[in-house]
Amino acid sequence: SQTIHQWPATLVQPVGSPLSLECTVEGTSNPNLYWYRQAAGRGLQLLFYSVGIGQISSEVPQNLSASRPQDRQFILSSKKLLLSDSGFYLCAWNEDRDEKLFFGSGTQLSVL
Amino acid sequence: SQQGEEDPQALSIQEGENATMNCSYKTSINNLQWYRQNSGRGLVHLILIRSNEREKHSGRLRVTLDTSKKSSSLLITASRAADTASYFCATGGPGGATNKLIFGTGTLLAVQP
Repeated sequence: SQTIHQWPATLVQPVGSPLSLECTVEGTSNPNLYWYRQAAGRGLQLLFYSVGIGQISSEVPQNLSASRPQDRQFILSSKKLLLSDSGFYLCAWNEDRDEKLFFGSGTQLSVL
Repeated sequence: SQQGEEDPQALSIQEGENATMNCSYKTSINNLQWYRQNSGRGLVHLILIRSNEREKHSGRLRVTLDTSKKSSSLLITASRAADTASYFCATGGPGGATNKLIFGTGTLLAVQP
């Protein structure tokens, strides 16, 4: 069966520090991968999605970037974090023939 | 921008009662999905209804879709304390091989034991 792993669960970083959040999926090949951000008490905002290795689409201009170095690995990065980058980050995946998404457990990022 | 808007924003009921949450959206859709999120956790898919369907059931869940009104409702029958969570609707647009769901702002459901 397929599983998705996202880490770390919680992260506290100072303003101006770099960021790297990792997400991996097991049990499937060539999944679509997504990074969402959820502000407190709000819905989800799609940040990036990827349909294959090295293929990244950005949905909103921001201080963050994403990379997909391997088929089932999706990384969210920043060179210098801003206070406004705080939030709950969720990785998700699906297969092309399936419209529903499967989410990781999320990373709570606090930038201080 | 967000497509779905859930109503109410928060709902508190007693165990055993039914809970109804509504979702309105703005543009044409291919499907509408409901997800559940426990506090501090990822979302879990509950049910998907396609634009050519009007009603769908899954266990204690009943979803309706009215494309003429661009709205959907999620009914949870005989609620339990374990149903306490946030519930989000998400709309899938027409066409495209890559799924890009647009999520609403959610309804926070509290079921009192």
